[in-house]
Parts: sequence; C-alpha cells; structure tokens
Amino acid sequence: GDSVTQMEGPVTLSEEAFLTINCTYTATGYPSLFWYVQYPGEGLQLLLKATKADDKGSNKGFEATYRKETTSFHLEKGSVQVSDSAVYFCALSRMDSSYKLIFGSGTRLLVRP
Amino acid sequence: ETGVTQTPRHLVMGMTNKKSLKCEQHLGHNAMYWYKQSAKKPLELMFVYSLEERVENNSVPSRFSPECPNSSHLFLHLHTLQPEDSALYLCASSQVGEGQETQYFGPGTRLLVL
Repeated sequence: GDSVTQMEGPVTLSEEAFLTINCTYTATGYPSLFWYVQYPGEGLQLLLKATKADDKGSNKGFEATYRKETTSFHLEKGSVQVSDSAVYFCALSRMDSSYKLIFGSGTRLLVRP
Repeated sequence: ETGVTQTPRHLVMGMTNKKSLKCEQHLGHNAMYWYKQSAKKPLELMFVYSLEERVENNSVPSRFSPECPNSSHLFLHLHTLQPEDSALYLCASSQVGEGQETQYFGPGTRLLVL
C-alpha cells in the first residue's frame, strides 16, 4: 500500500545552518505531496505542497521538489532559525481517494541559538 | 489562524465520564476529519465526513462516536474511555473534488483519561 518514510529525528542544528529533512514515498500513480509543520502545543499547519512531478513547493524559506524518479520530496531550508523548531510531517494524498492523507512519522527539528 | 477551531483545547476526564469535542470550520469546505495523534505513533485517521455523511471509519472503538450536524461542525462524543485513549485529537477540513485535497487542521484537543 501507499506509504511515506521520513528520516528519524531529532535533527539538531545551529541557527543559520542548512536544513534537509528526507522524505520518500511509495504510491500508485502520481499523488500530491505535502509538508506539514507542527509547532509545540499546536495542530498541523500546511507548509508547502506539490501536485505533479518536478513541481517545487515553497513557503517561508522552505522548499521541496517532487522527484518522481527517486520518489522523494525532501524538505530544505538554507538558513534555519530558532523559531523553525517544530515537528515536520511529510504526507501524500492517495490517488484513489480524495479523503486520505498518508503521513510519515514526523521529524523533530531543534534549532539552537 | 487556519480557519478551523476546536474546543476545548484541553480536557481531563475519568473513565466513566461522557464528554464531547467540538470542531468548527470557517473555510466553506465540504469534508471534515478526526485524527488521533499519540506520542511516538503516526497520525491515525479516525473518521471522515463528506457532505455530512460518514464515508470512512477506520475501525475505531465504539466508545468514540462522531456526529456531523452540518458541513461546518463536527463533534466527537466520548464515553467510557480508557487511559490509552489519552492523546491529541485533531480536526481537519478540506474541499473534496477538483483536486482540492489539501487538509487544514485545527489546534487540537489534548485529552487525558485518568
């Protein structure tokens, strides 16, 4: 079945460091791909999305490119801030159902001053 | 502000209590969802309502009872819960159809069952 695999956390970085959080997926067809972020004590917020191969989603300095050939959607940011500390979830939308998002297990990011 | 609100934000209840969680979406969406988020476990989809009809129920115990009186409101009625039901319960909404499958989440209700 469809699935999403994220790198294990926590990821600990110093402020202004480069961030990569890996995400790979298994799916039938061409699903839409998402990154959600969850700040402490809050619900999930959509960070960015991509709906077809080679699309690049971007928001708040974060970017991710839909790579069909490697079935990946890695999240990157050139210079992280302390305020980026959160849990990041990669997800895909199943093609056979508009209702289902399949989530990865989440990656906790801790940015130190 | 995501346009999806949830009340209460925190809830403590005994195993014999009955309580309800409320979700309201202000986005004009036609589908609403309940998720359970437990520590160290993936996000679990519990129920899906589309156009006020339940279209998915992922083998959730009967002590959880959803209700969707209209497209803007979703409830989760709780009774005789177990301590392992302690978790963050998240509501989400989306506009289904025409490829609009992005889900928008509320802040969640953190539930503790004693």
